[in-house]
This record gives sequence, C-alpha cells and structure tokens, in this order.
Amino acid sequence: TQLLEQSPQFLSIQEGENLTVYCNSSSVFSSLQWYRQEPGEGPVLLVTVVTGGEVKKLKRLTFQFGDARKDSSLHITAAQPGDTGLYLCAAQGGKLIFGQGTELSVKP
Amino acid sequence: NAGVTQTPKFQVLKTGQSMTLQCAQDMNHNSMYWYRQDPGMGLRLIYYSASEGTTDKGEVPNGYNVSRLNKREFSLRLESAAPSQTSVYFCASSEAGTGFFEQYFGPGTRLTVT
Repeated sequence: TQLLEQSPQFLSIQEGENLTVYCNSSSVFSSLQWYRQEPGEGPVLLVTVVTGGEVKKLKRLTFQFGDARKDSSLHITAAQPGDTGLYLCAAQGGKLIFGQGTELSVKP
Repeated sequence: NAGVTQTPKFQVLKTGQSMTLQCAQDMNHNSMYWYRQDPGMGLRLIYYSASEGTTDKGEVPNGYNVSRLNKREFSLRLESAAPSQTSVYFCASSEAGTGFFEQYFGPGTRLTVT
C-alpha cells in the first residue's frame, strides 16, 4: 500500500509567522496535488505539481515537488487567520491517495 | 452551476439500518468517487466510477455498495450500518480518473451510527 505521510499533523501559529508542511512517501508519483479544506466543507484544489523539482507559487503559498517525485512541501509566508484549515496532499499512484492532513490554526 | 451536491447533509442511523447517500454533479465529468474522512486519517477511497457504467473498489469498500445511475449521479449504499461507519462521507468528480485532473468535492454527509 502506497502511503503519504504528512507532518506536522497539527500546527498552531500566530498571524505573520511562516510555516512549512511536508508530504513524504517512499513511492514515486506521477503528480501530486495540494488541497485545502475548511470546516464543514469539502476539499478544494490549490495546486497540481507534475515535474520533479517543480516550484509553484500561489500568492503567499509556495509549493515544491521533490526532485525524485517522492515528496512535496507547502510553505506559507506571513500566515493570516484566513489560512486556517486542513491541508491535504494527494498523489496519483494508480488511484488518487491522500495524506492524513495537517490542521493549521492561525491566531490573530 | 451547483457543482457536486450531496444529500442528506446529516444522518443518524441505528446499527443494522440501511440508507443511501446521493451524489450528483453538473459538470459533465466522467469520473466520480466516494470517500470517507475520519480524524487523523485523511480521505480514504471507498468506491469510484471511472466512467458511466463502471464501478471499482477503493481502499475501504467493505460494508458499502455503489450505483452509477447515469453520468450525473453516483450513489453509496450502506446495507447494514455499523458504528465503525460513523464518518463524514464525501462525493467527488473529475474529468477523468487521473491525478492530473482536479477533483471537485461535495459538501459532505455527516453520518452517525449508534
């Protein structure tokens, strides 16, 4: 069974701090996605990365796909309360599989 | 466009009761999915339908059945509910069954089995 391990599982920070969330696996994936989920709603896609070493930026969010396509990271600069939510990585390995999620709380 | 809709939003069942969760999408997507979400375990795939007329098991199919009624609708049935099936259930759809395509999720059904 292919597994995606996310770390940390919980993160509570103050507004303005930077943070990084990691998504790791021992398997190689053809692509990797990051989703964000707010309480009471379904996940919403933030980004898809396809090429090893790829870096994508979405405003204050920076996503990186590892060179070997086994891992990825999400870095948020100057976090805001609106960034609060569950962040999920998902990778294509036959079917789409999800990590267990990182619950982020940004306090004003 | 409503996107992906799910009914009901909340449900409480007694052990042994049956129910069907309904899902519909209006984006003309080929693929549809059912996931369950439990604390600390992310989303786990129950069943999926790569295209109309086909269904396949996912990671945790035991205790569930599905029907792809047409291109728009994909239902999930619990024949004899068990407390272990207490969870939040999400339906999703995508253009095709690969990770290159975004999955669009419904708002979820919160199911409690007592």
